[in-house]
Amino acid sequence: EVQLVESGGGLVPPGGSLRLSCVGSGFAFNTYAVHWVRQAPGKGPEYVSAISANGDSTHYANSVKGRFTISRDNSKNTLYLRMGGLRPDDTAVYYCARGSGLYCFDFWGQGALVTVAS
Amino acid sequence: EIVLTQSPGTLSLSPGERATLSCRASQSVSRIYLAWYQQKPGQAPRLLIYGASNRATGIPDRFSGSGSGIDFTLTISRLEPEDFAVYYCQQYDTSHMYTFGQGTKLEI
Repeated sequence: EVQLVESGGGLVPPGGSLRLSCVGSGFAFNTYAVHWVRQAPGKGPEYVSAISANGDSTHYANSVKGRFTISRDNSKNTLYLRMGGLRPDDTAVYYCARGSGLYCFDFWGQGALVTVAS
Repeated sequence: EIVLTQSPGTLSLSPGERATLSCRASQSVSRIYLAWYQQKPGQAPRLLIYGASNRATGIPDRFSGSGSGIDFTLTISRLEPEDFAVYYCQQYDTSHMYTFGQGTKLEI
């Protein structure tokens, strides 16, 4: 069974930093691109970032470029999102999602809530 | 950036009825880049349709997708109680960006 499990969410003040992790299991983690997608309360999902299967290619939404860094450790089947310069509008549930290879996301984690507030 | 607009915002129907959900793009989208998801409260989105008309693994055949260009449709032929949820369309563009619509809430 494919599983993605996020951790690391929490409350952080504006301007602060946080690192999210996502552990994948039940599939060959090192052969799939993986993504971060966030969803603010009551809103639709918003794409955040992607990393290729071997980690040599990354992409970011304009809203997080320069503040967030995506990375992965295939030896640990783990995806990371380092978030800095956090703003209140970064408050959301952050999901990791597996890229299907067909321009969509076929499996999602349960999400990690990040709240940016003083 | 391609903007996806979903309509209606809320659709009120009864079990057994047919649901038709619309997704309109601000510019043409290749069929292979269009997907649909279902989301229930407190859960992550679930992939229903990819490539505009292909059902994901395990998705019942009462769900179907169609469309091309800027207009895409998700149809649920006979609503089951578990189908009442929020539905999102999503597209990919060649600048490696994915965007989602704002959602259609399907309620009883």
